[in-house]
Amino acid sequence: AQTVTQSQPEMSVQEAETVTLSCTYDTSESNYYLFWYKQPPSRQMILVIRQEAYKQQNATENRFSVNFQKAAKSFSLKISDSQLGDTAMYFCAFIQTTSGTYKYIFGTGTRLKVLA
Amino acid sequence: GAVVSQHPSWVICKSGTSVKIECRSLDFQATTMFWYRQFPKQSLMLMATSNEGSKATYEQGVEKDKFLINHASLTLSTLTVTSAHPEDSSFYICSARDLGTGSGYTFGSGTRLTVV
Repeated sequence: AQTVTQSQPEMSVQEAETVTLSCTYDTSESNYYLFWYKQPPSRQMILVIRQEAYKQQNATENRFSVNFQKAAKSFSLKISDSQLGDTAMYFCAFIQTTSGTYKYIFGTGTRLKVLA
Repeated sequence: GAVVSQHPSWVICKSGTSVKIECRSLDFQATTMFWYRQFPKQSLMLMATSNEGSKATYEQGVEKDKFLINHASLTLSTLTVTSAHPEDSSFYICSARDLGTGSGYTFGSGTRLTVV
């Protein structure tokens, strides 16, 4: 069964500093997608970044980048120049694509607090 | 971009009554929508997959008679919590996939249900 593990329940970082959130997953599939979602206090789920498993190049979105290690089944998120607005819950997610179901499997989340 | 509207954003109901939550894809058609439940400070747990024009597929442990899902059109899925009890109080979130924007799903803003 596919699983997603986030081993850091809570983290904090000083404003303008860099922080890395870890995520590991387990799957026997070769084709899949990985995501990081942000859930601020409003509880709206916001897509931060996504990575296709067949792509070797790490995805980057402005201050957000990932370190995708397929062999190690690791998918960490790096936030550079942290801002107060980055304070939120961050979920790593995996989409299985077998049978066209495209169901998300979420990790348990990391609560990130950016300190002024 | 793809927008998913979820209504109501919060609802309080009495034990024994039923509550309907709507999830609409505003600018795209969604043959598949997903319903999640999120307890405080926890991750999203998939409840069911809503398929347009057919029966929903429920995850193991989810009572299909308590959580009725209807996906009568390509832009609307509804979740009805029947004979609600205090233990059904939770945050419910829907999501839908816009095939035109890639593999990621767009999430609704969620519904906070409180049963008293």
